[in-house]
Amino acid sequence: ETGVTQTPRHLVMGMTNKKSLKCEQHLGHNAMYWYKQSAKKPLELMFVYSLEERVENNSVPSRFSPECPNSSHLFLHLHTLQPEDSALYLCASSQDGRTGGYGYTFGSGTRLTVV
Amino acid sequence: KNEVEQSPQNLTAQEGEFITINCSYSVGISALHWLQQHPGGGIVSLFMLSSGKKKHGRLIATINIQEKHSSLHITASHPRDSAVYICAVHMNYGGATNKLIFGTGTLLAVQP
Repeated sequence: ETGVTQTPRHLVMGMTNKKSLKCEQHLGHNAMYWYKQSAKKPLELMFVYSLEERVENNSVPSRFSPECPNSSHLFLHLHTLQPEDSALYLCASSQDGRTGGYGYTFGSGTRLTVV
Repeated sequence: KNEVEQSPQNLTAQEGEFITINCSYSVGISALHWLQQHPGGGIVSLFMLSSGKKKHGRLIATINIQEKHSSLHITASHPRDSAVYICAVHMNYGGATNKLIFGTGTLLAVQP
């Protein structure tokens, strides 16, 4: 375990389902991120939360809805997804700031399949 | 064109060989990361560097800021080194939040 825990590890859902991905860190980091990794593509930043405030929404469709109730937890709520949303969803955390502390810690990811 | 380019995309080596993976980027950065991703998805941070060279065990990472280029070297490669190696550059962009831009990764297979 890296210190960033994601659940579930695998998820298969139908296009009409609603599900949530969970990410948890107890590293004392104050920034958390959702990334999407599709086959043969670089990781794409989806959302950034810094000090529990969303600071970036990277043109992500509204069928993805993030929630950050506190600095240790991050959720990604999913509804009416499309098959092309099937991908590996990775959570990461870091200690925000300009001077040092850039180290990122990634979770193991949730492999999502939309059928 | 991606702002972070890696080469090669795929690399097959024999156990014991010296391996080099290259990363070039086109933007101004404050730091560069080398990451390792094993099958199953989890990503591990290997190095973060902003100048010079770092060494950890059999892994060496170098960066040339003027040339916007970094290399990851693996000495005495082993089958357990088989993984995807990802280069990511760290940009500061407004506010206090940092942003990573990722390369597409290099798939390394080390054969016994």
